[in-house]
Amino acid sequence: SQQGEEDPQALSIQEGENATMNCSYKTSINNLQWYRQNSGRGLVHLILIRSNEREKHSGRLRVTLDTSKKSSSLLITASRAADTASYFCATDADDYKLSFGAGTTVTVRA
Amino acid sequence: EPEVTQTPSHQVTQMGQEVILRCVPISNHLYFYWYRQILGQKVEFLVSFYNNEISEKSEIFDDQFSVERPDGSNFTLKIRSTKLEDSAMYFCASSPLAPGTDTQYFGPGTRLTVL
Repeated sequence: SQQGEEDPQALSIQEGENATMNCSYKTSINNLQWYRQNSGRGLVHLILIRSNEREKHSGRLRVTLDTSKKSSSLLITASRAADTASYFCATDADDYKLSFGAGTTVTVRA
Repeated sequence: EPEVTQTPSHQVTQMGQEVILRCVPISNHLYFYWYRQILGQKVEFLVSFYNNEISEKSEIFDDQFSVERPDGSNFTLKIRSTKLEDSAMYFCASSPLAPGTDTQYFGPGTRLTVL
């Protein structure tokens, strides 16, 4: 299976701290995407990193990709209460679908 | 900013009834998808659609499911005879370029409840 698997499953941090979550996958990919989902809501695209990229930044988000280890990480710096959500990685292998992991639930305490 | 829209936001139906979930993808996108998320579980791929044809479908997407692009803007998912286990959030997505090259943009979802 192509699916990404995130860890940890859940993360609780204080506002202002950084949050790091990891994603591992099993086979070759074209790109890896991170999404956020607030409770019971839709999926919001955060960032896409291509297989030939190693690191990407978007605002307070930093994503790394290590294709040799088949893993990616998402770092949220200076977290805010509004960052409380579930975060999913999704791998795209040019087979007309995204394969999602189970997600990391992040709780940011005020 | 253009976005994918879905209607209705919540659909309640009786087991055995047919439902049609509607999506309006972003207007210049060419690739369309349906995914579902059973409560508390991961998002699962159902089907992808390009050039008026199904490109790929998962084993979930059996004969009870069908998709259609009835006009230039709508993309629909039909479940012919709903089962209790079809209760889930259904997400439509679209992308401008071929899979593997670009982001898939998701709609807000339709929560389907089968009683």
